[in-house]
Amino acid sequence: DVKVTQSSRYLVKRTGEKVFLECVQDMDHENMFWYRQDPGLGLRLIYFSYDVKMKEKGDIPEGYSVSREKKERFSLILESASTNQTSMYLCASSFKGRETQYFGPGTRLLVL
Amino acid sequence: EDQVTQSPEALRLQEGESSSLNCSYTVSGLRGLFWYRQDPGKGPEFLFTLYSAGEEKEKERLKATLTKKESFLHITAPKPEDSATYLCAVRRTGFQKLVFGTGTRLLVSP
Repeated sequence: DVKVTQSSRYLVKRTGEKVFLECVQDMDHENMFWYRQDPGLGLRLIYFSYDVKMKEKGDIPEGYSVSREKKERFSLILESASTNQTSMYLCASSFKGRETQYFGPGTRLLVL
Repeated sequence: EDQVTQSPEALRLQEGESSSLNCSYTVSGLRGLFWYRQDPGKGPEFLFTLYSAGEEKEKERLKATLTKKESFLHITAPKPEDSATYLCAVRRTGFQKLVFGTGTRLLVSP
């Protein structure tokens, strides 16, 4: 079974803090993705990576950055957290050339 | 622009009462239509991928079908454990990202 894990299930941070969300997959997938999910808006892609050290902006990259130093690990960074970044953050991964993405359990982030 | 619309937003069924969820889409060059199930507070769980009109896939009480404009997720004789939000997504040829609908919240009462 594909396993995608995320470092925290719940996080509470203060406005202005730097926040790191980590995602690890154990299936040797080339592609990794970060989404955020908000009520009424569905899942929106923030960034994705198709290889180590490679990244592509998604639909809503503003205020976020990413890092992929190892194939199995993809980090999402909120440089200076703001209240409008309170959301559910979901990581996903897939094989290159395969369409199906597999999701982690999510991190619910609250920025006060 | 690729777009996915799911209906209804919410659906309440009695146990054993079959029904269908709808996913309408517009995409230039469909490279896959995906159904996921999401339980509250958890990540989406993959159910099906459909690639071409006329294709059907089944898993237990769920059956997904695809036409050129929409997909249906048929739920036959649902049980309370089928209660969840069902998400639909599409992928365009040449693009990695998925475009998601906002989901249908299904509640099955005993």
